[in-house]
Amino acid sequence: EEQLVESGGGLVKPGGSLRLSCAASGFTFSSYWMHWVRQAPGKGLVWVSRTNSDGSSTSYADSVKGRFTISRDNAKNTLYLQMDSLRAEDTAVYYCAREPEAFDMWGQGTMVTVSS
Amino acid sequence: DIQMTQSPSTLSASVGDRVTITCRASQSIGVWLAWYQQKPGKAPKLLIYKASTLETGVPSRFSGSGSGTEFTLTISSLQPDDFATYYCQQYHINVYSFGQGTKLEI
Repeated sequence: EEQLVESGGGLVKPGGSLRLSCAASGFTFSSYWMHWVRQAPGKGLVWVSRTNSDGSSTSYADSVKGRFTISRDNAKNTLYLQMDSLRAEDTAVYYCAREPEAFDMWGQGTMVTVSS
Repeated sequence: DIQMTQSPSTLSASVGDRVTITCRASQSIGVWLAWYQQKPGKAPKLLIYKASTLETGVPSRFSGSGSGTEFTLTISSLQPDDFATYYCQQYHINVYSFGQGTKLEI
């Protein structure tokens, strides 16, 4: 079964760091571009970041540029999001998603809460 | 950046109704538009991509149309399972963006 499973969320203080992981299974992970999308409580979907299939090209939303880093380990079938200098407004459920064309598979999400 | 604007923000309808949701892009995105359905506490589900291509397994009562800057999602006959929030998304350029969502309620 094709699956994406996020982990690594939790409570962190403003200015702190957190690394999210997204474990892929059931498909050839190294063939796909991958994304992170977040959703603040009661709000809409916001695209965060993207990596191409081998990790050589990345892009970021302006709101996280310079603070977040997306990466992947194709040998471990895992996508990462390193989040530094976290702010209260980064509080959200973070989803990883697969892109063959549009986002056809999503994980269940992991909650990140930034609060003192 | 490309801004995506959906209308309406909330739509009240009944089972069996035909409903249409509109999504407008701030600049031309060709046909690089997707529609997603999201239910509370769940991840979004892809319904339509490339403006009008139905994702495998999605019921045929869902359809999409449009190109350039104006797009629509139509549900031909609402079923109880369709009451959810719907998002459009452009993937024309390297910075992807979503509309603000349309909540479809009874």
